[in-house]
Amino acid sequence: AQKVTQAQTEISVVEKEDVTLDCVYETRDTTYYLFWYKQPPSGELVFLIRRNSFDEQNEISGRYSWNFQKSTSSFNFTITASQVVDSAVYFCALSAGIQYNFNKFYFGSGTKLNVKP
Amino acid sequence: DAEITQSPRHKITETGRQVTLACHQTWNHNNMFWYRQDLGHGLRLIHYSYGVQDTNKGEVSDGYSVSRSNTEDLPLTLESAASSQTSVYFCASSESRLAGGNTQYFGPGTRLTVL
Repeated sequence: AQKVTQAQTEISVVEKEDVTLDCVYETRDTTYYLFWYKQPPSGELVFLIRRNSFDEQNEISGRYSWNFQKSTSSFNFTITASQVVDSAVYFCALSAGIQYNFNKFYFGSGTKLNVKP
Repeated sequence: DAEITQSPRHKITETGRQVTLACHQTWNHNNMFWYRQDLGHGLRLIHYSYGVQDTNKGEVSDGYSVSRSNTEDLPLTLESAASSQTSVYFCASSESRLAGGNTQYFGPGTRLTVL
């Protein structure tokens, strides 16, 4: 079975603090893909990153960084020097299952990040 | 620019009525998906399609149906709306260029209230 757990329901930080959003996934497939999406208060879902199971390199994009560790089945997302505009709900998603051509997504329940000025 | 649109953006209906939510994409993507978003549940898959005439049930398909007559559109129909179907509905699409794990791009969502 495929499953994504985002144990942090809501996090509040003060602007300029660093914050890490946790994502733990479960799958028996050796090939799978992991994603992060951002949902700002306006409601749309914005794609942030895609990572396949064979690429364990960490990735950095500006203030955003992602740490993928297969040993702990985690794909954590860190925002450095948070800003008010980072306030949003963040979703982690898993795409796995060769029978679905790896196109079915399994979403975590989301983490709401509040960044206070 | 290619995009994915949903209509209406907001809808209020009564229990028992049939409701259809539209989804239209100009990405020319083969894969299309419908999700519902409820507090505490994240996004749950209702139906999906990998191409014209192809439709598949997701994890919460009861009470919903879809049809795919062309590449661009995947309308979602609630046969007889129930209060439990009050939710925000998102449509998404992805290409099938890669062997899998194709990024899904989402529409703006439709907020449906069933009274």
